[in-house]
Amino acid sequence: DVVITQSPLSLSVTLGQPASISCRFGESLVHSDGNTYLSWFQQRPGQSPRRLIYKVSNRDSGVPDRFSASGSGTDFTLKISRVEAEDVGVYYCMQGTHWPTTFGQGTRLEIK
Amino acid sequence: EVQLVESGGGSVQPGGSLRLSCEVSGLTFSNYWMHWVRQDPRKGLVWVSRITPDGSSISYVDPVKGRFTISRDNAKNTLYLQMNSLRVEDTAVYYCASEGLAYWGRGTLVTVSS
Repeated sequence: DVVITQSPLSLSVTLGQPASISCRFGESLVHSDGNTYLSWFQQRPGQSPRRLIYKVSNRDSGVPDRFSASGSGTDFTLKISRVEAEDVGVYYCMQGTHWPTTFGQGTRLEIK
Repeated sequence: EVQLVESGGGSVQPGGSLRLSCEVSGLTFSNYWMHWVRQDPRKGLVWVSRITPDGSSISYVDPVKGRFTISRDNAKNTLYLQMNSLRVEDTAVYYCASEGLAYWGRGTLVTVSS
């Protein structure tokens, strides 16, 4: 399976301040079809995961624009420009390029 | 509004069986790949299986191959996961999710314990 290194594993952020989460993969996520199947998910306490971002940088419907994502090849980043209270939860990256689909370890975001 | 509702979880002894169901509404079910993903505190999120819209192609993660069977009934807008020969390490919340894992259900808890 593709090795994923997600960091940090926990993050304590003051309201209104930015946050950044990184995922590094053991091999390139560029698929043979030219797409890069890298997604980001948010899981709020007591809830199911929710997809925020697909194919590296595309925000899902209803996702606030304070969430942005970028990257290429093996290195990817999710950024929150100004953290709000509703952003508390665990964030996961996921690759769908290589079988089997795999998830990062998760980053727990809390408010300082 | 897209809704995915899982059912069928519960407690079972090692070696036992369960059948999970996932009823889908708000999207044209027969057009979508569908997935099962499980989550436990030890291993986090783990993709389990997926099935193409017409059921012609199926894939499983190695630890469940030969024990789990994914299927779908497009007339009933329902996805299934038949789980046999259950092991303690299969204990998890099981989620169904739509293509691209864009939509998820609330999950159903499976506990395998003697």
